[in-house]
Amino acid sequence: DGGITQSPKYLFRKEGQNVTLSCEQNLNHDAMYWYRQDPGQGLRLIYYSQIVNDFQKGDIAEGYSVSREKKESFPLTVTSAQKNPTAFYLCASTHRGSGNTIYFGEGSWLTVV
Amino acid sequence: GQQVMQIPQYQHVQEGEDFTTYCNSSTTLSNIQWYKQRPGGHPVFLIQLVKSGEVKKQKRLTFQFGEAKKNSSLHITATQTTDVGTYFCAKEGGSEKLVFGKGTKLTVNP
Repeated sequence: DGGITQSPKYLFRKEGQNVTLSCEQNLNHDAMYWYRQDPGQGLRLIYYSQIVNDFQKGDIAEGYSVSREKKESFPLTVTSAQKNPTAFYLCASTHRGSGNTIYFGEGSWLTVV
Repeated sequence: GQQVMQIPQYQHVQEGEDFTTYCNSSTTLSNIQWYKQRPGGHPVFLIQLVKSGEVKKQKRLTFQFGEAKKNSSLHITATQTTDVGTYFCAKEGGSEKLVFGKGTKLTVNP
């Protein structure tokens, strides 16, 4: 089946540790995105990538890093510099161009303990 | 940021009542998309509106795009418990980014 796979679904992290969230898609989409969701805040864009080996900061990139070495993969690292990392993280992808639908993965819940 | 304003933030209705959420932008939109996120789930695409004054229906859901292409609405007729969730509108934010409203969380009392 075609889709976006995020892992892990649930993750606990100790303060001061980095953690990497995986996102893989087999939809042959060029563009991939990472959003963060907090209660009452909607979806906020962390990073996005329109093409392999290229990515741009979104609205809340501080404390996060990404890579795009392969078209199908866009991992997100939550670094220890992110002061409030507990949130629901959503990966998404789409074909490039205007007005294209975004498809989301099932999300990853990150809790800092 | 370039968020679209979405109201209300929360809406609680009795089953069978109607529900409407509104999305407003200060700038003219090329198109607008609507998504639904069930509790504990991920956003799922519902529809895209492109033309000025466009109205589209999906069963009990009616989507409208304003004449000036600065606002949009989603109306649900006779809500059911299966309609619960958060409804988001989203606009293009340049550089092929999609900017989401904060969403309207709908709860339905059976």
